[in-house]
Amino acid sequence: GAVVSQHPSRVICKSGTSVKIECRSLDFQATTMFWYRQFPKQSLMLMATSNEGSKATYEQGVEKDKFLINHASLTLSTLTVTSAHPEDSSFYICSASGLAGGPQHEQYFGPGTRLTVT
Amino acid sequence: AQSVTQLGSHVSVSEGALVLLRCNYSSSVPPYLFWYVQYPNQGLQLLLKYTSAATLVKGINGFEAEFKKSETSFHLTKPSAHMSDAAEYFCAVSGGNQGGKLIFGQGTELSVKP
Repeated sequence: GAVVSQHPSRVICKSGTSVKIECRSLDFQATTMFWYRQFPKQSLMLMATSNEGSKATYEQGVEKDKFLINHASLTLSTLTVTSAHPEDSSFYICSASGLAGGPQHEQYFGPGTRLTVT
Repeated sequence: AQSVTQLGSHVSVSEGALVLLRCNYSSSVPPYLFWYVQYPNQGLQLLLKYTSAATLVKGINGFEAEFKKSETSFHLTKPSAHMSDAAEYFCAVSGGNQGGKLIFGQGTELSVKP
């Protein structure tokens, strides 16, 4: 149980275009979803936390107008990278938690999306 | 504020040898601690977690970790390494009113030599 999927797994786009990444919890309801980015050989950096039906909370330094997050249902969150530039190229990973506000509860991670901006 | 420090960005062991990956944390509230494993180009998989129950936590694939409050440590061990254990390992902490946010360590790459 507790499977999280991401789509697409890999995407290449041209500079200036927008890309949408989907994160789905397949067998549980995810009240909270998290979006991370990971550079090669580095740790995960939390970008934002989203709760179903409310606006995402962005970490300091993350541009909310550039990284649009929507959590419209209990099984789907989307991250849209707007006007992508080469420096946005990274590995984006989502995670989901089935219980709101519980730090003791593990997060279930998606397989990640490799974004390359040319 | 919470933080995690993983000592050693790269650890190399021989197959069959003991695996020890070190993690120290800092937290002003009782912490919840996690170890995750990441294989190349994949997401993270939970190995084990400490949530204030038993201080010795057993996880999947033969891994275990011991919470030591006096040393603010949560080191990950496995008695005998397998080739399939080669991966990146992340220690993470959450707690307090952070809304379930995880703070990750820098990661430790484990290599297993035949």
